[in-house]
Amino acid sequence: DAGVIQSPRHEVTEMGQEVTLRCKPISGHDYLFWYRQTMMRGLELLIYFNNNVPIDDSGMPEDRFSAKMPNASFSTLKIQPSEPRDSAVYFCASSSAINEQFFGPGTRLTVL
Amino acid sequence: AQSVAQPEDQVNVAEGNPLTVKCTYSVSGNPYLFWYVQYPNRGLQFLLKYITGDNLVKGSYGFEAEFNKSQTSFHLKKPSALVSDSALYFCAVRDNSNYQLIWGAGTKLIIKP
Repeated sequence: DAGVIQSPRHEVTEMGQEVTLRCKPISGHDYLFWYRQTMMRGLELLIYFNNNVPIDDSGMPEDRFSAKMPNASFSTLKIQPSEPRDSAVYFCASSSAINEQFFGPGTRLTVL
Repeated sequence: AQSVAQPEDQVNVAEGNPLTVKCTYSVSGNPYLFWYVQYPNRGLQFLLKYITGDNLVKGSYGFEAEFNKSQTSFHLKKPSALVSDSALYFCAVRDNSNYQLIWGAGTKLIIKP
């Protein structure tokens, strides 16, 4: 298995632009998590899905952030409009039931 | 409230010496505990976990962790440190109400030659 795949690996955009981050979880995993990591705030859980259904989005910072999981092999995290304070590394992770989470390589987002 | 504490922001160890990275937790019910490692510009990698059974858990890269229920601790250890062990280490405990992981703030481990 290729592991969790994220794209793009790096994204540089200007304030106000829409940003879409993509994730392909490990096949067979039924949980998918989106995290954000910054120096100031550490690792934060934004939202997670179970069987493609959003379970808890309380970590999503504001309405500018949205996430979807249209099928078991694909998820997106969208920021619209983006702001400089959104600059961070965004990780996607997947797991099966109660087992450990497997992380993707992350997307480093820079908003100018 | 459920929580994880990693009391040390940074741990410095000489190569070849034993290392310990500390973690304490607070959780309702049985604890499910995890250690992850993050190398620079990489995602988090799973090292080991404690679910039940033997209090000493062995994991990847020669690491092990000791579960201590009375002290609510799950310290990460390695008998002989390598320079390549230098990385950021995260402890996590599972919230038994929703299966989310509650993460510690991370400890930067620096192994000096």
